[in-house]
Amino acid sequence: DAGVTQSPTHLIKTRGQHVTLRCSPISGHKSVSWYQQVLGQGPQFIFQYYEKEERGRGNFPDRFSARQFPNYSSELNVNALLLGDSALYLCASSLTAQSYLWTDTQYFGPGTRLTVL
Amino acid sequence: KQEVTQIPAALSVPEGENLVLNCSFTDSAIYNLQWFRQDPGKGLTSLLLIQSSQREQTSGRLNASLDKSSGRSTLYIAASQPGDSATYLCAVAPNFGNEKLTFGTGTRLTIIP
Repeated sequence: DAGVTQSPTHLIKTRGQHVTLRCSPISGHKSVSWYQQVLGQGPQFIFQYYEKEERGRGNFPDRFSARQFPNYSSELNVNALLLGDSALYLCASSLTAQSYLWTDTQYFGPGTRLTVL
Repeated sequence: KQEVTQIPAALSVPEGENLVLNCSFTDSAIYNLQWFRQDPGKGLTSLLLIQSSQREQTSGRLNASLDKSSGRSTLYIAASQPGDSATYLCAVAPNFGNEKLTFGTGTRLTIIP
């Protein structure tokens, strides 16, 4: 079975531009979370979505938004890019607490490396 | 606000040695604690997950312990190998069904052949 996939792998943007990152969860997983990992730091939670609804949001500005589609894939959008948005963006999927199959473990994708110049 | 700390930030040991990585957290009201491995420029691989009611978990050469009351966890790696070289991150989940993991900054481990 395929794991969590993310696209693109790498992305270079300039300040002020907009970016869309994509994530496909493991088949059967209904929950997707997004994390930002700045070089040398641990990942920081951005959003969690389950069944197309936002269930959690981290301490990020409104320039960051996300959505989840009926097939449970997800997009993370960042507007008005700043140099400080340069990071590895990680997507994680899991079964949910509403499923008797919930395993607690989140499975992470390989990430999208965003560089803002 | 939960804060997770990992010390040391970097560690180098000769191949074959046993080693311990440390993780501490400030709020003991956690649901579970997870240890992850991250290779350079890559995503995270889950190694072990310990529920708040558990004291330890084992997988192969890895053993993770949890002392919730003192806010500490350790990851023990036995008979280290060069392939164990990576950054090891611990993360805590606040409660049931809440997937907002709070991560430490990681320990970069280098195993010297």
